Amino acid sequence: EPEVTQTPSHQVTQMGQEVILRCVPISNHLYFYWYRQILGQKVEFLVSFYNNEISEKSEIFDDQFSVERPDGSNFTLKIRSTKLEDSAMYFCASSDEGSGYTFGSGTRLTVV
Amino acid sequence: AQSVTQLDSQVPVFEEAPVELRCNYSSSVSVYLFWYVQYPNQGLQLLLKYLSGSTLVKGINGFEAEFNKSQTSFHLRKPSVHISDTAEYFCAMGDSSYKLIFGSGTRLLVRP
Repeated sequence: EPEVTQTPSHQVTQMGQEVILRCVPISNHLYFYWYRQILGQKVEFLVSFYNNEISEKSEIFDDQFSVERPDGSNFTLKIRSTKLEDSAMYFCASSDEGSGYTFGSGTRLTVV
Repeated sequence: AQSVTQLDSQVPVFEEAPVELRCNYSSSVSVYLFWYVQYPNQGLQLLLKYLSGSTLVKGINGFEAEFNKSQTSFHLRKPSVHISDTAEYFCAMGDSSYKLIFGSGTRLLVRP
């Protein structure tokens, strides 16, 4: 069964540093997403991406965040200057349309 | 505003007993509904989804859910739980914007 692959599984970074989280969505999917889950809390939508542009973003997704699809297979989330409160599990997802979501196994980001 | 409510933060149950995890949603438009399971330190696994059609949806691992439009509910049920069902369960709602809105989760704790 096709999978969404995320790397790394765990990333530790110093506060103020830039971090890039990587995802390989399912190949024939057209919609890509990032979600985050702060420890012990619910999963929150960050951003959706379609046709090489952001289609929707949440209030969490401020100027410190950006997404990119640099080639035909990768989908990245960049945090420019990490803060302690950015520590969370970040999930990538892809879908063919809204009903066919598949999530990756997540990247645990720890900001120290 | 759209929202998903999971009233029970934790549901303890004995092994082989039936269980129901409650989910209510609020939306003014047609929605898709999902249940995801998250085992400790793992990603989100889709249990089942309601898109349209039959209101009783069967999923993996013996779970099923019933969509009730009049009560705006999508409760998850299993007739006989196993120790291995111990996990966090998230109800989620999607619409034409394709983003998912998650509930706060219910921890199912199965005791021997």
